[in-house]
Amino acid sequence: NAGVTQTPKFQVLKTGQSMTLQCAQDMNHEYMSWYRQDPGMGLRLIHYSVGAGITDQGEVPNGYNVSRSTTEDFPLRLLSAAPSQTSVYFCASSPDWDSYNEQFFGPGTRLTVL
Amino acid sequence: ELKVEQNPLFLSMQEGKNYTIYCNYSTTSDRLYWYRQDPGKSLESLFVLLSNGAVKQEGRLMASLDTKARLSTLHITAAVHDLSATYFCAGGGADGLTFGKGTHLIIQP
Repeated sequence: NAGVTQTPKFQVLKTGQSMTLQCAQDMNHEYMSWYRQDPGMGLRLIHYSVGAGITDQGEVPNGYNVSRSTTEDFPLRLLSAAPSQTSVYFCASSPDWDSYNEQFFGPGTRLTVL
Repeated sequence: ELKVEQNPLFLSMQEGKNYTIYCNYSTTSDRLYWYRQDPGKSLESLFVLLSNGAVKQEGRLMASLDTKARLSTLHITAAVHDLSATYFCAGGGADGLTFGKGTHLIIQP
């Protein structure tokens, strides 16, 4: 199993550009989520999904869209990038929320918005 | 809304010493996680604590949970340099995890 994969690893955008951060897992996990990590802030939840076709907002959803058309993939879309979205983005998955399992984190995408 | 506070946020200690990182949370949390993060890397799961009084140990690290006090601790015994990292606690339920700001731990020879 590859676990949780994220692409790209690094990305530089200009203000106003759009892009999609990819996240995939091959563990048949129902629960997936996106976090951003900023210096001194810990990780903050952006969006999460408890299964295909179901998504919900986390603590900091503004400026981000998600969809979950398959169990494996959970892309995060930035519609119009802003410098405030410069951050490291982590995707995570777990078998399902009710089973109280650990969450597995992907390697992260480091995004810079100029 | 769950809030999670860790202290200390920065800790420099010598090899061989013992120390404890504290994690306080504001409201009921289904579970409590501890993660380790090395510089430039992702998060590695250390412990999942599910019930009051839970204690888990792995090597020189031991985590405990007191749900009545809303407190979890991560105890380091006889620290070694390899344990230098940032440690996060996180709590939450079905609507996602809330993380503390992390404890940056440096262990010096």
